[in-house]
Amino acid sequence: SQQGEEDPQALSIQEGENATMNCSYKTSINNLQWYRQNSGRGLVHLILIRSNEREKHSGRLRVTLDTSKKSSSLLITASRAADTASYFCATSDYKYIFGTGTRLKVLA
Amino acid sequence: DVKVTQSSRYLVKRTGEKVFLECVQDMDHENMFWYRQDPGLGLRLIYFSYDVKMKEKGDIPEGYSVSREKKERFSLILESASTNQTSMYLCASSPPDGTYNEQFFGPGTRLTVL
Repeated sequence: SQQGEEDPQALSIQEGENATMNCSYKTSINNLQWYRQNSGRGLVHLILIRSNEREKHSGRLRVTLDTSKKSSSLLITASRAADTASYFCATSDYKYIFGTGTRLKVLA
Repeated sequence: DVKVTQSSRYLVKRTGEKVFLECVQDMDHENMFWYRQDPGLGLRLIYFSYDVKMKEKGDIPEGYSVSREKKERFSLILESASTNQTSMYLCASSPPDGTYNEQFFGPGTRLTVL
């Protein structure tokens, strides 16, 4: 199975609400990254959190990392219709390993 | 801005054809990667390269080969295309200390093998 497993697989919320996505992984990591993919396009890097960090913020994004539980969460606050996309976590030791993604739909 | 380009957005080939997918990056990145993306399976690493003329197998290299003759260009080759290679192919690059840095992705090539 994938190193990174996102949960839920799909999420549908109203504009203005917060969206939370989770990622679990299996092995030790150097860092964990979150990417966004708009439909049929390439991935865009959102945020990177290193293994010795617990929380990181970037604009409306908040990422947490719990290495003891081998899990991370991505929170998008005050969501917008433009946030509709698939979100992937990627863990890295000597190479990147991507999860299967969470499909987020933000309804206007 | 970093730019990663891929030679085609859509490609249709026949079974048994030799297929070349080209990827070019303009930021002098040492590291380049080829992934395929399939529904329910996420991104799977096919091959990666840390330097010119160097290549390493990823998780699913069977049926594929790569070429990196110049730093900015990383080519994925399907020696004899098969229908199970129908997929979205994504190229990415990253600076040195690759796994400590973000990856920059191209727009993807959607390949259909008939």
